[in-house]
Amino acid sequence: DSGVTQTPKHLITATGQRVTLRCSPRSGDLSVYWYQQSLDQGLQFLIQYYNGEERAKGNILERFSAQQFPDLHSELNLSSLELGDSALYFCASSPEGNGAGEKLFFGSGTQLSVL
Amino acid sequence: AQTVTQSQPEMSVQEAETVTLSCTYDTSENNYYLFWYKQPPSRQMILVIRQEAYKQQNATENRFSVNFQKAAKSFSLKISDSQLGDTAMYFCAFMIGYNTDKLIFGTGTRLQVFP
Repeated sequence: DSGVTQTPKHLITATGQRVTLRCSPRSGDLSVYWYQQSLDQGLQFLIQYYNGEERAKGNILERFSAQQFPDLHSELNLSSLELGDSALYFCASSPEGNGAGEKLFFGSGTQLSVL
Repeated sequence: AQTVTQSQPEMSVQEAETVTLSCTYDTSENNYYLFWYKQPPSRQMILVIRQEAYKQQNATENRFSVNFQKAAKSFSLKISDSQLGDTAMYFCAFMIGYNTDKLIFGTGTRLQVFP
């Protein structure tokens, strides 16, 4: 068990809908990272938050947004969903995430299926 | 931009044998970190090994070791005494050494260990 909790484990929804994925980092970790894993794109970095502030941004679509709350849990919001958004979404956490080469610990992921 | 290349989509090895997975990367940075992650059928992302670019000594974790060739930008993973539980996707990942600890992943190598 990595200590990173993601909910829900599975999500099935329809095109055009909006969903929210939730992540609780390991105790004491201030940085949260979101990744998307799909068959055609592989593992793509989406965004990183550190203590409530955005620290790094990857190939995140404008339809997607994230935030980190004062209790350090994070949510990834996906809107106007398309079939191509079907993927496994991972959250990871690390203590600081400021370029010191910290190990990232991953949650078990949320499998999103858009029908 | 940094890129990570894993040229072996699939590999297989017999139990108790040794196998080497290849990874090359491209960066103009001097300070960075390299990782291998394992993703078994459970889909959990598990850290296997971490290497600091400024360290010449190759990292080792039990049966797992790396061959880090900085000049060649090569970072291969050697698994000794392969076990059935090593069956998984293996991802090589690059981390820049400033500002953020986001990981850039390769496309992965699927390893099958046969009895």
